[in-house]
This record gives sequence, structure tokens and C-alpha cells, in this order.
Amino acid sequence: DIVMTQTPLSSPVTLGQPASISCRSSQSLVHSDGNTYLSWLQQRPGQPPRLLIYKISNRFSGVPDRFSGSGAGTDFTLKISRVEAEDVGVYYCMQATQLPFTFGPGTKVDIK
Amino acid sequence: QVQLVESGGGVVQPGRSLRLSCAASGFTFSSYGMHWVRQAPGKGLEWVAVISYDGSNKYYADSVKGRFTISRDNSKNTLYLQMNSLRAEDTAVYYCAKGSLGTGGPGEWGQGTLVTVSS
Repeated sequence: DIVMTQTPLSSPVTLGQPASISCRSSQSLVHSDGNTYLSWLQQRPGQPPRLLIYKISNRFSGVPDRFSGSGAGTDFTLKISRVEAEDVGVYYCMQATQLPFTFGPGTKVDIK
Repeated sequence: QVQLVESGGGVVQPGRSLRLSCAASGFTFSSYGMHWVRQAPGKGLEWVAVISYDGSNKYYADSVKGRFTISRDNSKNTLYLQMNSLRAEDTAVYYCAKGSLGTGGPGEWGQGTLVTVSS
């Protein structure tokens, strides 16, 4: 199975300031079809997960443009350009390149 | 808009069975693969199973293989998860999620249903 790791596991941020989360996979996430199926999900307190970013850098429907994704191969990053109060929650990276799909451990983002 | 509503959760004794359902609306259910993902209390996300749009292909996490069965009824726009030989470690909120070739994995998610395995 592909193991996903994330850093940091906790990120206190100041409102209006940027935040960044890193995700690393134990092997390349490049699929045989040429796509890299790396997603980022947000889970606000008491809510189900919500897809933010898919295939490294594509924002899902309705996701604000302050969220962006980048990376390649085994190293990926989620950036929030200016953190808002509604961004508090846990962020997960997930790979869908190879079954079983696997998630990172999550990064908790809260306000300083 | 996409709506996914899970049901069937509850408290069940170890070794017993439970069937979860996920009622889908707002999209052409029969055109999409569907997933089950679970989250133990206070823990992270664990992918459980996926079924293809027509039910012909199914894949499971090793932790549930041989005990859980994913299925669907496209005439009823409903996804199922039959859970047998339940264990305490199966205690979790179970989410159904709509698949998408575009995203490569789960897109929209339901609100989840809680399964507690306890004597």
C-alpha cells in the first residue's frame, strides 16, 4: 500500500496570513494514464470531509481560489493564501492512483 | 445538487451483522462509481471499498476483505455496505462518497452514519 505522510500535524495560523501543508507519498503517484491522483480534503469540526483539490492542483467546484495545490511525483503542497476563520479544521491528502486509496494522517489547522 | 444520505448505523454486538444504505440524488447514479470511507472516533480517514458504476467491479481494504460487501441498486439509486463478523475496531462513522473519473477518487460526500460495535 502507498503510505501518505503529512507535515506539520498541527498548524496554528494567524487570520489573514498564509498557511502551507506538505504531503509525501511512499512511491510515485503518477498513474499509468499519465495523471497524478493526489487530492486534498478539508474536514471542519463536526462535518464530513469536503474535496478541495484533485489531481494535484485542480480546485473542486465551489472551492475558493485562496486554496491552491502544487507538487509532483511524491511531494505535494496545499497552500492557503490568507487564512479565514472558516478554514479551521483538519486537512487530509489522499492518493487515488493505486488501490487501496490511502489518506495522510491529517493536519489540524487552528487560529493562534 | 448531489445529495448522499447514509442510514442503517447503530449499536451492534461483536460478531453480528449490519447493512448500511446510501440514498443518492441530484446526479445520474448509474453513471458513477461509489465509495465507502470510514472514520473511527477521533481518528483519520480510512478508505473501505469502491464499486464501479454498473456493479461489475468491487475492491476492498484488506481490513474488511471477506467480511464486508459493497453493492448497489441502480434502479433505486442506492448504495449498500453489508458488514458481517463485526469487530470493535469497525466502530466508526461510515461515509458514502460519489466517485468521479475526473477527480480520480471520492468527490462529494454524505454526512455519515455511526456504527458502534460493542457488547
